[in-house]
Amino acid sequence: SQQGEEDPQALSIQEGENATMNCSYKTSINNLQWYRQNSGRGLVHLILIRSNEREKHSGRLRVTLDTSKKSSSLLITASRAADTASYFCATDVIGGGADGLTFGKGTHLIIQP
Amino acid sequence: GAVVSQHPSRVICKSGTSVKIECRSLDFQATTMFWYRQFPKKSLMLMATSNEGSKATYEQGVEKDKFLINHASLTLSTLTVTSAHPEDSSFYICSARDRGVGQFFGPGTRLTVL
Repeated sequence: SQQGEEDPQALSIQEGENATMNCSYKTSINNLQWYRQNSGRGLVHLILIRSNEREKHSGRLRVTLDTSKKSSSLLITASRAADTASYFCATDVIGGGADGLTFGKGTHLIIQP
Repeated sequence: GAVVSQHPSRVICKSGTSVKIECRSLDFQATTMFWYRQFPKKSLMLMATSNEGSKATYEQGVEKDKFLINHASLTLSTLTVTSAHPEDSSFYICSARDRGVGQFFGPGTRLTVL
């Protein structure tokens, strides 16, 4: 089953607006991470939130985690054209040992100048 | 922050040939490295987990004889796509795990098999 489902699949907003992306998952996790990927490029780690944390900030990014609902959100405030990219959430599953992360399908964010 | 490199960044090969992709952690030791595959407009799929000095663990559905993984040292893992076919064309991404701070990804390798 898919672990880590982002919604919306695509989001287009005007520059300066806030962008919110959501991620849901199915099993218990150690942590949840958000990554960004520009077209045709590798992933860039944005932020990691542990299962015992509820909210985390990094610059214009704000991530929340609700383990009771098995969901997370990524908020980008005051968006810029350069924020245009795909954003993925990835879960580090409890009991997964050294297993890799499980990624969702991603949200493609377009910031209109 | 931790840096992971991949080489080559882009490779085009003929059907039937083998291609080797290198993944290196540049400023930290990674006992575990991971190989992912990404199809166009789709999410990443974990292919295998590579532990230094031992055999790789492959995910269900991934052919271990086709995708050979060698984790030669704490800073180097290689993925060899053997007898490549056009359907192997994809974006391959490696990552290296440092348990203290998380998992860091390489820039990816675009493989095109003609």
